[in-house]
Amino acid sequence: KAGVTQTPRYLIKTRGQQVTLSCSPISGHRSVSWYQQTPGQGLQFLFEYFSETQRNKGNFPGRFSGRQFSNSRSEMNVSTLELGDSALYLCASSLDLSYGYTFGSGTRLTVV
Amino acid sequence: DAKTTQPNSMESNEEEPVHLPCNHSTISGTDYIHWYRQLPSQGPEYVIHGLTSNVNNRMASLAIAEDRKSSTLILHRATLRDAAVYYCILRAVYTGANSKLTFGKGITLSVRP
Repeated sequence: KAGVTQTPRYLIKTRGQQVTLSCSPISGHRSVSWYQQTPGQGLQFLFEYFSETQRNKGNFPGRFSGRQFSNSRSEMNVSTLELGDSALYLCASSLDLSYGYTFGSGTRLTVV
Repeated sequence: DAKTTQPNSMESNEEEPVHLPCNHSTISGTDYIHWYRQLPSQGPEYVIHGLTSNVNNRMASLAIAEDRKSSTLILHRATLRDAAVYYCILRAVYTGANSKLTFGKGITLSVRP
């Protein structure tokens, strides 16, 4: 079966712009989480959605937002990009709390 | 968030078993123990998880101490492909702040040919 699909794979944006990243979970998975990975901070949790509701949120500024659609697909948006937002953004999906997560390959965002 | 403690790094020889330890002395009764690994230039990969009993799957075994304050991930025969960062994570089984996966620094496993 298809894995977690993230688009685009690579993205270059300019400071001050906004960006939208997309994630298609494994079919049947209703839980989607987003993570930011940087060399300095490692993997940091952004948010978790379940059945279109945000269930958890990490310690990121309000410039980072997300949503989940009725088909479980999810998007995350970062507004007013800063150089420090350059990172690998990972999406993961799961059936629910009692199951493991499957991660996508990520979107590599570079802010210049 | 309930915390886990892992050594920074471990080394193993190819085709030998590897035991990766994890301490989680503040674990609650509703926390699952999850293990993930991340190979270079890839996203994390689910390895195994358990609640109380030892668990086995095609990738590894998870041995959970009787008091649940520690666990060990066992790779039965290490291969070069198993060289990765291994993360031990506690995840609550109920909806709430602790139901997210909180990654620490993990153990960097090196496998010698």
